[in-house]
Amino acid sequence: AQSVTQLGSHVSVSEGALVLLRCNYSSSVPPYLFWYVQYPNQGLQLLLKYTTGATLVKGINGFEAEFKKSETSFHLTKPSAHMSDAAEYFCAVSDRRSSASKIIFGSGTRLSIRP
Amino acid sequence: EAQVTQNPRYLITVTGKKLTVTCSQNMNHEYMSWYRQDPGLGLRQIYYSMNVEVTDKGDVPEGYKVSRKEKRNFPLILESPSPNQTSLYFCASVNIQTSGDLGNEQFFGPGTRLTVL
Repeated sequence: AQSVTQLGSHVSVSEGALVLLRCNYSSSVPPYLFWYVQYPNQGLQLLLKYTTGATLVKGINGFEAEFKKSETSFHLTKPSAHMSDAAEYFCAVSDRRSSASKIIFGSGTRLSIRP
Repeated sequence: EAQVTQNPRYLITVTGKKLTVTCSQNMNHEYMSWYRQDPGLGLRQIYYSMNVEVTDKGDVPEGYKVSRKEKRNFPLILESPSPNQTSLYFCASVNIQTSGDLGNEQFFGPGTRLTVL
């Protein structure tokens, strides 16, 4: 069965510092991988996704993530944090097999930015 | 504008009083899903639907019902709400086309905050 683990329920960084949010997955085959962001009092929106091809994926707002099959990881990074990046971030996986129909989310990481 | 709408956005009710949260999408997506979001637990899938008249249980279906009579609508029904169903609920839809491919973006509604007293 698939699962997703996000390490750290809360991450705090200074403005301008590197952002690193960790996500590890468990799956029998390489899954589709997603990062979603949730701003306060809003729904979720897609930051980026990995389906196939290049393992370094670039998303919106300067975020990127790298799919590492050997480490079963899909960590989210941003070189320089901005105050507007404060939000909750969710990693998600779905199965490539057409018979599967589940999308599984991690428990979320709340990102705080210190001035 | 492509969107998923939910109503109501906020609801306070009492134990046992049946309620329905509506969800509608205008993108002609086949796949629709309901999630609940609770602190520290992320989003957990309640029910999902691969297409009209096709629904199935997610991870936390107890106490909930759904129907999919039309492609655009996917209402969530709580026949007898209880306080442990107090939560933030999200509806979402995905374009899976005929292949059933779940590699596309999920579009989320704005959420419904439900309080059951």
